[in-house]
Amino acid sequence: GDSVTQMEGPVTLSEEAFLTINCTYTATGYPSLFWYVQYPGEGLQLLLKATKADDKGSNKGFEATYRKETTSFHLEKGSVQVSDSAVYFCALSVYGGSQGNLIFGKGTKLSVKP
Amino acid sequence: DAGITQSPRHKVTETGTPVTLRCHQTENHRYMYWYRQDPGHGLRLIHYSYGVKDTDKGEVSDGYSVSRSKTEDFLLTLESATSSQTSVYFCAISESAGDETQYFGPGTRLLVL
Repeated sequence: GDSVTQMEGPVTLSEEAFLTINCTYTATGYPSLFWYVQYPGEGLQLLLKATKADDKGSNKGFEATYRKETTSFHLEKGSVQVSDSAVYFCALSVYGGSQGNLIFGKGTKLSVKP
Repeated sequence: DAGITQSPRHKVTETGTPVTLRCHQTENHRYMYWYRQDPGHGLRLIHYSYGVKDTDKGEVSDGYSVSRSKTEDFLLTLESATSSQTSVYFCAISESAGDETQYFGPGTRLLVL
């Protein structure tokens, strides 16, 4: 079945460090891929998305490129800030699958130290 | 921000009691979803709705039922709460299925003693 695997955390970085959170997927159809972010005590917010191979999603300095050949959608940011501390979820949605529900990875907790 | 509210935001209940959680949206979106979030599991789909009175099961539907009598409201009921249903419950909405973005509510933290 469809699934998402993302690197386990927690990840602790110093401010201005480079961030990579790995995400790979398995899907039988043609998935759209998402990164959601959850700040402490809040619900999930869409960070970025890509709907087809080679698309790059970007938002707030974060980027991820949809790589069909490696079935990956790694999240990157060149210089993290303390305010980026949150839990990050990779997810996929396959149209024509389970009525479009999102399949999530288990989440990666990021802590950024000043 | 998408207009999604959940009530209650926090609830403590005892094993065996029924519990109903409410999700209310002001966006007139067709699709609504209930997820639960547990450490080590990410988010898992409980039930979803693709229209008024149209619902279907998700990955972890056992012990839960849902109802949607109006576009704006989606209710999740735990018929007889168990300790394994202690979790954080999130409602989400989307305009359509497939690659459409889902927007999440603030969550309900449920503790079953």
